[in-house]
Amino acid sequence: QLRESGPGLAHPSETLSLTCTVSGDSISTIGEYYWTWIRQPPGKGLEWIGYVSYTRGATYNPSLRSRVTLSIDASKNQFSLILSSVTAADSAVYYCAKGWGDGKGTYFDPWGQGTLVTVSS
Amino acid sequence: QSVLTQPPSVSGAPGQRVTISCTGTSSNIGAGYDVHWYQQLPGTAPKLLIYRNTNRPSGVSDRFSGSRSGTSASLAITGLQAEDEADYYCQSFDNSLGASEFFGTGTKVTVL
Repeated sequence: QLRESGPGLAHPSETLSLTCTVSGDSISTIGEYYWTWIRQPPGKGLEWIGYVSYTRGATYNPSLRSRVTLSIDASKNQFSLILSSVTAADSAVYYCAKGWGDGKGTYFDPWGQGTLVTVSS
Repeated sequence: QSVLTQPPSVSGAPGQRVTISCTGTSSNIGAGYDVHWYQQLPGTAPKLLIYRNTNRPSGVSDRFSGSRSGTSASLAITGLQAEDEADYYCQSFDNSLGASEFFGTGTKVTVL
């Protein structure tokens, strides 16, 4: 199971930080797993933000690369998202998920329940 | 914007068969990258429905099937049921413009 946590409200130009806690699985298990963040603006489609692998590091959506940092804290079995300089366009439900594959055409299962983040002053 | 195009909506009566297309290009589906499908019921997180083009995870009904050919992929739902009313997304990798995972534009399935 995966569960997202973080503030439901962020102010424009601030930095957003979200955490995904993994239970029933070890984030440092040997194998090619990609711990992933995906977001969905209200009423819109899904957007892949990026993923981080315990062995291969992080890969980001090119459109967000300059503002995103993903990291793993294996001691807490968590992984995190930091998104800087947020604007209203970053308002969305943020999902974390486990990715399977080789980093090209990875599929995501399971997903967390999602956490709604609103960017507003 | 997405590099994978889906019809905004499809509909069918209970018991019918519907298909959802996912049209890509030579830099994603046409390049041989796998296609995956997700079902998102209203107010819930997406759920993996088909992985690696044709495979169903344990617990997914065999009424759902996937295929891929050329630069496109399709999801078929047979024996349409009211519980299938949801949004469906395809997903693949694209090796152009910096390389990235992409979701399709999404399709709303309505059971008449």
